[in-house]
Amino acid sequence: TQLLEQSPQFLSIQEGENLTVYCNSSSVFSSLQWYRQEPGEGPVLLVTVVTGGEVKKLKRLTFQFGDARKDSSLHITAAQPGDTGLYLCAGGRGATNKLIFGTGTLLAVQP
Amino acid sequence: NAGVTQTPKFQVLKTGQSMTLQCAQDMNHNSMYWYRQDPGMGLRLIYYSASEGTTDKGEVPNGYNVSRLNKREFSLRLESAAPSQTSVYFCASSRLFADIGYNEQFFGPGTRLTVL
Repeated sequence: TQLLEQSPQFLSIQEGENLTVYCNSSSVFSSLQWYRQEPGEGPVLLVTVVTGGEVKKLKRLTFQFGDARKDSSLHITAAQPGDTGLYLCAGGRGATNKLIFGTGTLLAVQP
Repeated sequence: NAGVTQTPKFQVLKTGQSMTLQCAQDMNHNSMYWYRQDPGMGLRLIYYSASEGTTDKGEVPNGYNVSRLNKREFSLRLESAAPSQTSVYFCASSRLFADIGYNEQFFGPGTRLTVL
């Protein structure tokens, strides 16, 4: 059972466009992380959000945790080819050291 | 700091052969993990070790064994490899959840395994 659904699965856009990636669940998470994975590499942590409604910005990337802590979004402004990669959300539940990963969104930014 | 290192980077096995994937971290993290990544399946947890001396099964443990050798090292063993175990394997580490209240994981570069 996949508890975290990401959409879209694939996204191909031109440099300079804006985009939003969604991470949805019917379950509540105590924390939500976003990772980016480049071809041939391991995932790299971008951000952690822990409070419902929390918004964090990382340069051109804006992350939001839903009020009910069941969903999250990643918005990229003026995408660049360097943003190309697989974006993964991951949710933490309660007092556990385990994360549940979403299926990922593969982003390609064309120059 | 090297972060999380994994060896080997690539491996080809024949069905029935055994091998051990090695993982080490130099961030003084208590918790370590092994995942496999398959197309369309995301990252699936095989085994994890919340702290030195403990190991627990994850979502897909069948066909694998692990050893937490010390705080730094966590190995994954395939006793009798099968074609279904062809995948990319990632090791990760994190601070203890109880210390910070959430789980931020740091990943190694992966091992690409093909079983013929």
